[in-house]
Amino acid sequence: QVQLQESGPGVVKSSETLSLTCTVSGGSIRSNNYFWNWIRQHPGKGLEWIGSIYYSGRTYYSPSLQSRVTISGDPSINQFSLRLSSVTAADTAVYYCARGATYMEYAFQIWGQGTMVTVSS
Amino acid sequence: SSELTQDPVVSVALGQTVSITCQGDILRDFYANWYQQKAGQAPTLLIYGKHNRPSGIPDRFSGSRSGNTATLTISGAQAEDEADYYCSLRDSSTNQYVFGTGTKVTFL
Repeated sequence: QVQLQESGPGVVKSSETLSLTCTVSGGSIRSNNYFWNWIRQHPGKGLEWIGSIYYSGRTYYSPSLQSRVTISGDPSINQFSLRLSSVTAADTAVYYCARGATYMEYAFQIWGQGTMVTVSS
Repeated sequence: SSELTQDPVVSVALGQTVSITCQGDILRDFYANWYQQKAGQAPTLLIYGKHNRPSGIPDRFSGSRSGNTATLTISGAQAEDEADYYCSLRDSSTNQYVFGTGTKVTFL
């Protein structure tokens, strides 16, 4: 059974870089049937896609965040990561990692439990 | 436009049928996926593609599309279906994703 677990600081100072890691257990991130994603949810608000990384290493980012986002993967330790630079209070949110399945119309098949990140001044 | 619009709140009586709609021009080209998010939990995938359910999703959940509108239908809503529901799709021409604004389902 595949599980995803987000980890990282719960508080980040304004203007600094938010760094989160998603550890995948029960399955490999090396499969070309899957791709790996970060999605966030501002308090009391809807879901926002941040970006994806594919088996090839190719990444795609939300246009609104592209200038500040980097998603990378480390197959050797079955993790992928999110870096978001120059954070502000507007980046305070619950951050989810999720596995997407190419054979399920590229849907987000499995989600982590999410981790709350607060940007402090 | 890649925006997906949903009604903020939909109410249903226990055991009745409720439809949750998702509107956007981009739906003319792509099917929506649907997610359920219960309070304090991560979303779960309910429907993907034309009308497919992942393993373990009850068959009272179904999806459809007509024109620029995708619809999630819950037939015989149960108390545990009280949740927020989001449509989403991937624009294959850009590999970008968009989520709908979300609908909260409450019971009368």
